[in-house]
Amino acid sequence: GQNIDQPTEMTATEGAIVQINCTYQTSGFNGLFWYQQHAGEAPTFLSYNVLDGLEEKGRFSSFLSRSKGYSYLLLKELQMKDSASYLCAVMHSNYQLIWGAGTKLIIKP
Amino acid sequence: TAGITQAPTSQILAAGRSMTLRCTQDMRHNAMYWYRQDLGLGLRLIHYSNTAGTTGKGEVPDGYSVSRANTDDFPLTLASAVPSQTSVYFCASSEDSSGANVLTFGAGSRLTVL
Repeated sequence: GQNIDQPTEMTATEGAIVQINCTYQTSGFNGLFWYQQHAGEAPTFLSYNVLDGLEEKGRFSSFLSRSKGYSYLLLKELQMKDSASYLCAVMHSNYQLIWGAGTKLIIKP
Repeated sequence: TAGITQAPTSQILAAGRSMTLRCTQDMRHNAMYWYRQDLGLGLRLIHYSNTAGTTGKGEVPDGYSVSRANTDDFPLTLASAVPSQTSVYFCASSEDSSGANVLTFGAGSRLTVL
């Protein structure tokens, strides 16, 4: 079967660092995406990984290990505006995306 | 501002009625998608179109139909709505349908079927 798992909810403190994990089991792999979705809004693209390793983009970094079926999104210097849901999605062999249910991140002052 | 426009923003619909959700993009993207988003579940693909004139079924196509007469428009029709179709519907587009195709989403249409 095809499955993507991510924690339902996480809480972190403003200014801190948080790591959101995503594990997946899919038939074929053509890359992994992270999207951010603020409440009541559309998802917006954050990152794409297709090779193993860390991709850094400002305060956000995304890591991929294809052999372990594992990715994480690392958010540094957390700001209140980072309160949102973070969606992990895997592109499988037919180029369609399979989405996780999302991780709701709550930032506290 | 370039992007995707969805209409209506929200709608309450009686069961058994038909409804068309409209989606228009001005980015000249080849691929377009319709997703539904339900609490506790990941986005689920309803239908997609890799290019104008072609459509395909996604994960949950039953009860929905689409057309792609031109590049810009991709309407989603519910022929006879049922309460289980209560959801938030997102239209999305991407330059093409393979590789690192980043999706651009519309603002969503919230549909309630009573």
